Amino acid sequence: SQTIHQWPATLVQPVGSPLSLECTVEGTSNPNLYWYRQAAGRGLQLLFYSVGIGQISSEVPQNLSASRPQDRQFILSSKKLLLSDSGFYLCAWSPGTGNYGYTFGSGTRLTVV
Amino acid sequence: AQKVTQAQTEISVVEKEDVTLDCVYETRDTTYYLFWYKQPPSGELVFLIRRNSFDEQNEISGRYSWNFQKSTSSFNFTITASQVVDSAVYFCALSMDTGRRALTFGSGTRLQVQP
Repeated sequence: SQTIHQWPATLVQPVGSPLSLECTVEGTSNPNLYWYRQAAGRGLQLLFYSVGIGQISSEVPQNLSASRPQDRQFILSSKKLLLSDSGFYLCAWSPGTGNYGYTFGSGTRLTVV
Repeated sequence: AQKVTQAQTEISVVEKEDVTLDCVYETRDTTYYLFWYKQPPSGELVFLIRRNSFDEQNEISGRYSWNFQKSTSSFNFTITASQVVDSAVYFCALSMDTGRRALTFGSGTRLQVQP
């Protein structure tokens, strides 16, 4: 069966520090991968999605970047965090073909101080 | 462009009451998929249902039921005999069949079920 791992679960980082959040999927090949952010009390905003290794689409201009160095690995990064980067970050995957739903990781709660 | 509207920001009910969460969507595509997710306080998103645009049959799963009406672009979710464990934020979402398949979420409805 397929599983998705996301870490860390919680992170407190100072303003100006770098960020690296990692997400890996097991049990499937060539998945579509997504990063979403949820600000406190708000809905989910798509940040990035990827349909293959090295293929990244950015949805909104921001202080973040994403990379997909391997088929089932998706990384969210920042060189210098801003206060406004605080939020709940969720990684998700869906099959590369068809539309059979999306499975989400357990999320990372990021607080920038 | 796609859009999902959940007009109810927060709903509070007493246990055993029935409650309906509204979802209205906008899309120009003829083939699309609709979803409901539950987000408990832990934050993880729990999948509840997926519906494609060609299947307008209503669905029932235990105390949960969904009413899909293309004529009004709505996909409403009803919980019958609500329980305290139903307290969560519920998201309705939409995705396309081709191209960018990422989910577009509504803003969510926070449901509080009081004992």
